[in-house]
Amino acid sequence: AQSVTQPDIHITVSEGASLELRCNYSYGATPYLFWYVQSPGQGLQLLLKYFSGDTLVQGIKGFEAEFKRSQSSFNLRKPSVHWSDAAEYFCAVGYNNNDMRFGAGTRLTVKP
Amino acid sequence: EAQVTQNPRYLITVTGKKLTVTCSQNMNHEYMSWYRQDPGLGLRQIYYSMNVEVTDKGDVPEGYKVSRKEKRNFPLILESPSPNQTSLYFCASSDQKNSNQPQHFGDGTRLSIL
Repeated sequence: AQSVTQPDIHITVSEGASLELRCNYSYGATPYLFWYVQSPGQGLQLLLKYFSGDTLVQGIKGFEAEFKRSQSSFNLRKPSVHWSDAAEYFCAVGYNNNDMRFGAGTRLTVKP
Repeated sequence: EAQVTQNPRYLITVTGKKLTVTCSQNMNHEYMSWYRQDPGLGLRQIYYSMNVEVTDKGDVPEGYKVSRKEKRNFPLILESPSPNQTSLYFCASSDQKNSNQPQHFGDGTRLSIL
C-alpha cells in the first residue's frame, strides 16, 4: 500500500540550530514529492517540491530537501532555524494514479 | 489575490442537521479536493474533482457528498453529520487535472458535531 511516514511527531530545536525533518514513502516508481508548512489557524503552504532532475531542491524560507531513491526518503533541512519556523510540517507524495498522500505531520518547536 | 476561500471557518452543530461547507477558488484551477485533518493522521482526502461535473472518491468519502457544477466552486455536503465527522477540513485546488501538482489550500473549516 502507498504510504508516507514522518517518524517524528514533535521536534524541538534551539533558534539558530540546524533542522532535519524526516519523510519516507513507499512506492515502486519515483513519486512527486512535496513539503508543506502549516502555521496555527492557517492552511498549508508549499515549501518545495521534487518531480525529477537534481535531487537536492531549494524552497522558500531557506528550506531545502533531498530526494534519496535508495532510502525512499525526502528529508527537509534548514541550516539555521528561526523562531518564526515554529509550525507543523507535512510531507506529501503524489502518485501516478491521482492519489495524493500526506504524512501525519511533524510539529516543530523552536526554543529561544 | 489568488486564493481558496472556505466558509464557514468555524461551525458547531448537532447530529443529523445537514450542512454545507463552501469552497471557491479564483485561479481558474481545474483540480479541486477536500481533506480532513485529524491529530496523528495528517490530511486524508475525502473527494476530489478533476473538472466540472467530474468527481471521485478519496480515501475517506463515507458520509460526505460533493458537487462541481462550476469550475470555481466545490462544496462539501454532510447530509447527516455525526460526531466522528468533527474535524478540521481543508479545500485545495491546483492548475492541473491531477493531484500531482502543488496545491493551494484554504484556511480551513473547523467543524464540531455534537
